[in-house]
Amino acid sequence: EVQLVESGGGLVQPGGSLRLSCAASGFPFSDYWMHWVRQAPGKGLVWVSRTNSDGSGTSYADSVKGRFTVSRDNAKNTLFLQMNSLRAEDTAVYYCARDRLGAIYAFDIWGQGAMVTVSS
Amino acid sequence: QSALTQPASVSGSPGQSITISCTGTSSDVGGYNFVSWYQQHPGKAPKLMIYDVSNRPSGVSNRFSGSKSGNTASLTISGLQAEDEADYYCSSYTSTTTDVVFGGGTKLTVL
Repeated sequence: EVQLVESGGGLVQPGGSLRLSCAASGFPFSDYWMHWVRQAPGKGLVWVSRTNSDGSGTSYADSVKGRFTVSRDNAKNTLFLQMNSLRAEDTAVYYCARDRLGAIYAFDIWGQGAMVTVSS
Repeated sequence: QSALTQPASVSGSPGQSITISCTGTSSDVGGYNFVSWYQQHPGKAPKLMIYDVSNRPSGVSNRFSGSKSGNTASLTISGLQAEDEADYYCSSYTSTTTDVVFGGGTKLTVL
């Protein structure tokens, strides 16, 4: 079964750090671009970051640039999101998503989401 | 404020057709055929319904169709069913500083 499973969410104080993981299975992980998308409580989807298939190319939303770092370990079929200098406005469910092969920024497989709460 | 503009809500009766619009600019929707649509039920992860403006992934009902004219993309759902009640989001590649922009979402109510 093709699936993505996030972990690492939780409660963190403003200014703190957290690292999310996304374990992939059921497909050749190293062939795919991967993304992080977040959704604040009761709000819409917001794209956060992406990495190309070998991790050599990354991109970030302006709101997280310089604070978040996306990486991947293709040997372990795992995607990561290192989040530093966290702010209250980073509170959201964070989804990892797979970019569909042959399409452009079409996310065809999503994880179940990891809740990140930034609060004192 | 989201980069792409969607109506906050739409509604229709079972069996009817509805259309959700998604308006952007020439830097995103109007400039590229890389528009996607997602369905999200409460508490669930989004599901890809349409990609590259009008293509349906395998397994998605042919009641869902997508199109684009100028800076506005549209998702049409025909033969509305109760299970179609959900939030719908459009997205597009953008040539601005961020790779992808989403719309604010549209809540579809099946009356």
